[in-house]
Amino acid sequence: DAGITQSPRHKVTETGTPVTLRCHQTENHRYMYWYRQDPGHGLRLIHYSYGVKDTDKGEVSDGYSVSRSKTEDFLLTLESATSSQTSVYFCAISDTQGAKGGYTFGSGTRLTVV
Amino acid sequence: AQRVTQPEKLLSVFKGAPVELKCNYSYSGSPELFWYVQYSRQRLQLLLRHISRESIKGFTADLNKGETSFHLKKPFAQEEDSAMYYCALLRSGNTPLVFGKGTRLSVIA
Repeated sequence: DAGITQSPRHKVTETGTPVTLRCHQTENHRYMYWYRQDPGHGLRLIHYSYGVKDTDKGEVSDGYSVSRSKTEDFLLTLESATSSQTSVYFCAISDTQGAKGGYTFGSGTRLTVV
Repeated sequence: AQRVTQPEKLLSVFKGAPVELKCNYSYSGSPELFWYVQYSRQRLQLLLRHISRESIKGFTADLNKGETSFHLKKPFAQEEDSAMYYCALLRSGNTPLVFGKGTRLSVIA
């Protein structure tokens, strides 16, 4: 068990609706990240967290917000989903920002906005 | 801007042939570099990191600061090496990993 789970695994939603994706870890790692994976773009950072209630924006943060009220959970919210947000979303965790042990990734959430 | 470039979207090789997945980076500081791999229907996982100078599954990568490269190599490709490979850069300070766009390796039997 990798110690990190994402939910839901798949979701189809309509344009304009809010959507929340959840990342849950059991490793007690300080750092958590949300990336999106798109063909031709690779992995792009949306938001990340360096502690409870401490978050910062990544390179593609527009249209997304995050919250981290406890160490184990990092939520990603699409305020009003658009078709351009159809993607696979990956959560990752690390115990240090230097990531000597590397990032551990979740299994991903495939989101389709219709 | 800090950047990671993987020039090949797709690389096809025959089984038993040598493999080289290219990665170039742009960063003025002292970088740490990683290779991550994603096999079909699996999560991304760390393959190797330059600071460890390790060989994993027969893959090696050497950091060349003069050429700002961190190419991934394997002398003899296996079918099970078929996957998506991402090069990633860690800058100094509290900043997250920056990933390249990835290269899909296809090993043909």
